[in-house]
Amino acid sequence: SYVLTQPPSVSVAPGQTAGITCGASYIGTKSVHWYQQKPGQAPVLVVYDDSDRPSGIPERFSGSNSGNTATLTITRVEAGDEADYYCQVWDTSSDHPVLFGGGTKLTVL
Amino acid sequence: EVQLVESGGGLVQPGGSLRLSCAASGFSFSSYGMNWVRQAPGKGLEWLSYISSSSTTVYFADSVKGRLTISRDNAKNSLYLQMNSLRDEDTAVYYCARRIAVAPYYFDFWGQGTLVTVSS
Repeated sequence: SYVLTQPPSVSVAPGQTAGITCGASYIGTKSVHWYQQKPGQAPVLVVYDDSDRPSGIPERFSGSNSGNTATLTITRVEAGDEADYYCQVWDTSSDHPVLFGGGTKLTVL
Repeated sequence: EVQLVESGGGLVQPGGSLRLSCAASGFSFSSYGMNWVRQAPGKGLEWLSYISSSSTTVYFADSVKGRLTISRDNAKNSLYLQMNSLRDEDTAVYYCARRIAVAPYYFDFWGQGTLVTVSS
């Protein structure tokens, strides 16, 4: 079965750049979406279709997707970016179409 | 303003049943496919089920197939999840989420969730 693999944790100092990966076979052929979830809150979409940002999401959030890895990049990281981040794909050819990655805890040092 | 408000969670004994509801407002509910996603304590997001705008297409995760029923009432702008034969591992916050109308598909709005606790 298709599995999206994320590192459990990523740590970064304020002002630096954080990269959170989502790995899977040929994921570059799929559209990947990213959600941010802070404690006690619902997930919020931060990047869709690999690299697009919803309105209201800072330009510091960007995404890329190629080969076997999709990446969410957060530049100039702030304390308020500390959260769990999840990647997601929707496989239209499957009757179990939705996959989430296991999530990555971003810690701002 | 798009709003999704879940209700119906609570404490239920193993083997019991529960029906969750999601009240939608601020958009044309009948035009969107809807989903249920859950999150066990300290764990990641787990997609459970999808229902198309007209209820003609439904999908379930293998982990819950046969125990969950998804439905909707477009006249009432409401989404439902009937959960039967509940187990301890079904303890989680249950979210409803709107799927955008055109591919590539993602969830653009989420409710705040309702907590289901399965325990004797």
